[in-house]
Amino acid sequence: DAKTTQPPSMDCAEGRAANLPCNHSTISGNEYVYWYRQIHSQGPQYIIHGLKNNETNEMASLIITEDRKSSTLILPHATLRDTAVYYCIVRVVGGNNNDMRFGAGTRLTVKP
Amino acid sequence: DSGVTQTPKHLITATGQRVTLRCSPRSGDLSVYWYQQSLDQGLQFLIQYYNGEERAKGNILERFSAQQFPDLHSELNLSSLELGDSALYFCASSAEGPGGTGNTIYFGEGSWLTVV
Repeated sequence: DAKTTQPPSMDCAEGRAANLPCNHSTISGNEYVYWYRQIHSQGPQYIIHGLKNNETNEMASLIITEDRKSSTLILPHATLRDTAVYYCIVRVVGGNNNDMRFGAGTRLTVKP
Repeated sequence: DSGVTQTPKHLITATGQRVTLRCSPRSGDLSVYWYQQSLDQGLQFLIQYYNGEERAKGNILERFSAQQFPDLHSELNLSSLELGDSALYFCASSAEGPGGTGNTIYFGEGSWLTVV
């Protein structure tokens, strides 16, 4: 799987949008971009994923650049409960190996 | 609630001992994954099973082993335990197997293992 690069930490004001960047410059055509978050030692929580089109669900939006070398996770109105470590992962889907490898992620702190 | 169930939630044991962690995947999910998270290592992928067969191996020690049973539940066996094995162990599952497209992996809440 391709490696990703994320800033180690970010702050965001409560009620504002949180924009979390991720670089994945060596992504392959059959690799999806996944985002998970982990709130203090709880199980990682799935947020969103995409292949090449932008995606939106009730939690967040995912913007993938046209060349697919980077993406941004957007939490439109961050709350204190969004404070967590956010992981950007690129993952081959299909084939024999579709496991998921985590990097260090971005620690997002939402401040009042 | 992800639907992935792990037991026990907490476990304290002595060095040299052996423990078994159990995981029940979401209903219908054929793939099970095990991860280890210690304070200084982050989330490390250990092993994946698909429908009873080992599918991928990560940073799993030889002292550790896993299996997936016909009813699709999985067990992670940790033996000759050392202090450094103290960690949070996560199980995850997905509906996806070889040839799948984009199915999501869902995680349980983990089993805390403390080796003293």
